[in-house]
Amino acid sequence: AQSVTQLDSHVSVSEGTPVLLRCNYSSSYSPSLFWYVQHPNKGLQLLLKYTSAATLVKGINGFEAEFKKSETSFHLTKPSAHMSDAAEYFCVVRPYTGTASKLTFGTGTRLQVTL
Amino acid sequence: DAGVTQSPTHLIKTRGQQVTLRCSPKSGHDTVSWYQQALGQGPQFIFQYYEEEERQRGNFPDRFSGHQFPNYSSELNVNALLLGDSALYLCASSFLASGGSSSTDTQYFGPGTRLTVL
Repeated sequence: AQSVTQLDSHVSVSEGTPVLLRCNYSSSYSPSLFWYVQHPNKGLQLLLKYTSAATLVKGINGFEAEFKKSETSFHLTKPSAHMSDAAEYFCVVRPYTGTASKLTFGTGTRLQVTL
Repeated sequence: DAGVTQSPTHLIKTRGQQVTLRCSPKSGHDTVSWYQQALGQGPQFIFQYYEEEERQRGNFPDRFSGHQFPNYSSELNVNALLLGDSALYLCASSFLASGGSSSTDTQYFGPGTRLTVL
């Protein structure tokens, strides 16, 4: 079985300050991990993915995430928040091997960016 | 390059009715997955179609069924609608390597269909 836990349902930061969205995973096998973003009334956009290559993954719009097996974590960070980053963020896990490619989503973290 | 498209964008039905949602995958993709996103929650996996067959299914009743066509587009059908079926239905497409290995596929999502059941 696999699951992800997003530790904060809501995060508020000021524009220009760092962003940290926390995610812990549970997986019986080596997982693939993803972060998706969902803006209001929009579909899901892939931010970045980890598939057992480099543990530090760089994504779009300045976001990055670090896979830490010892801590079973995959936290999302950005050095400086922008107003356009305000959205819902989902941490997602999928088995790395085999033919099963079902995505399991976390409950989401709503990021609020204030002036 | 067109991304994943879904139709309709919004739909209102009454309890007991049936509904069909449609999805066209991103160009070059051969696999379609469907997800249900209830208000304030993360998407939940319904099922996935590859080579016109359902290859994996989530914890959804048989009222939820699907189909994939030779051009890789897909339909999601829901029978005997319940109030609890009200949600955003998301379609995602991907390309599976030869043999159906999932190790490299990335799923790209459409904008969704908002279904309201009254």
